[in-house]
Amino acid sequence: GAVVSQHPSRVICKSGTSVKIECRSLDFQATTMFWYRQFPKKSLMLMATSNEGSKATYEQGVEKDKFLINHASLTLSTLTVTSAHPEDSSFYICSARLAGANTGELFFGEGSRLTVL
Amino acid sequence: KQEVTQIPAALSVPEGENLVLNCSFTDSAIYNLQWFRQDPGKGLTSLLLIQSSQREQTSGRLNASLDKSSGRSTLYIAASQPGDSATYLCAVSQDTGRRALTFGSGTRLQVQP
Repeated sequence: GAVVSQHPSRVICKSGTSVKIECRSLDFQATTMFWYRQFPKKSLMLMATSNEGSKATYEQGVEKDKFLINHASLTLSTLTVTSAHPEDSSFYICSARLAGANTGELFFGEGSRLTVL
Repeated sequence: KQEVTQIPAALSVPEGENLVLNCSFTDSAIYNLQWFRQDPGKGLTSLLLIQSSQREQTSGRLNASLDKSSGRSTLYIAASQPGDSATYLCAVSQDTGRRALTFGSGTRLQVQP
């Protein structure tokens, strides 16, 4: 099956610093990737849609200057949390759709747990 | 706006029981529905994908059904095992736009040995 890899799996940073999370599709190309955020014991909330070669589409209420998304290639999307604060601590999960596939199936990474001190 | 609800929120059963997890969604114009499993602190494992034109999908001890017109899906787990303990998430994608997934809040399943 299609594999999506996220790195780092865990990161702890000081308040005010920026953190970059990578999402890679290892064995397939993905024109579209999605970034989700999950609070403890809650479901996944869509943050933004990452489109290869174009600007990301953000969901209502998500600050695009706070959460920078770059999708520079068909296998890599990055999420940068800028000037992180403790309220940004969360579990971030990316997903990718196989380019050209019509099933619409999404494959998910293992997630990245961000803790901001 | 699509809303997905899962009932029950938590479920504890003895090993060997058959069980049913329920999912409902408000907008029936979906493209597909996926069931996922999530272990604590981990990512999502896709269990079953049902296209909007399909009624059910089966994989091993799992069977998922879809009634699109009534906005319902069920995940049936046969002969439950302690290893089935996890949170089960239902998600739907719309038939238009980016087809991102909208998730339910999940059912936390505990199978007692």
